[in-house]
Amino acid sequence: NAGVMQNPRHLVRRRGQEARLRCSPMKGHSHVYWYRQLPEEGLKFMVYLQKENIIDESGMPKERFSAEFPKEGPSILRIQQVVRGDSAAYFCASSPNLHLNEKLFFGSGTQLSVL
Amino acid sequence: DQQVKQNSPSLSVQEGRISILNCDYTNSMFDYFLWYKKYPAEGPTFLISISSIKDKNEDGRFTVFLNKSAKHLSLHIVPSQPGDSAVYFCAASAIQGGSEKLVFGKGTKLTVNP
Repeated sequence: NAGVMQNPRHLVRRRGQEARLRCSPMKGHSHVYWYRQLPEEGLKFMVYLQKENIIDESGMPKERFSAEFPKEGPSILRIQQVVRGDSAAYFCASSPNLHLNEKLFFGSGTQLSVL
Repeated sequence: DQQVKQNSPSLSVQEGRISILNCDYTNSMFDYFLWYKKYPAEGPTFLISISSIKDKNEDGRFTVFLNKSAKHLSLHIVPSQPGDSAVYFCAASAIQGGSEKLVFGKGTKLTVNP
């Protein structure tokens, strides 16, 4: 009964490199959310995806950030040309349906450190 | 623009006593409220929730109270146990930007001392 799986757990990148964060939702879940937690902050919504569709990316920075959830395989959050300010914990969550009052299931997160 | 506020970054209580964690919100469109618990190096896990049409929800040692007129909710843990030591996030659900999403507070770090 695997939960939401995120990898890698820790990712170190130098400024200007690309970061790819992966998320496999719980079995049977078709809704994926990405949240970012900056130091001393709460979790901030970034993007909401269903299979092959971006539903809401209102929390994503306009540049350098992109996300996908292909028909096969995990959801990917991609950050191009990383900067120090991108250093944060990135959490993926999944849900079986549309209504969040059924609660989200979170992965353990990817800690991104930009040197 | 902090829509969900947890004004106490930390709270320390003795084992067996009551822990009260507070949360305030500004958006009257929030229709569901949730509490998540987070241990270090793990993702948040769902703890308890309450609909905006209710004022209390209880689950074992955990009770959430909602005061809509004050836009305030609180989580009561009684009796507190050392294993309850974690960061607690208050979250609210609303349709924003075209989809329903959770808005989180900054969290309160609870320490329960044996």
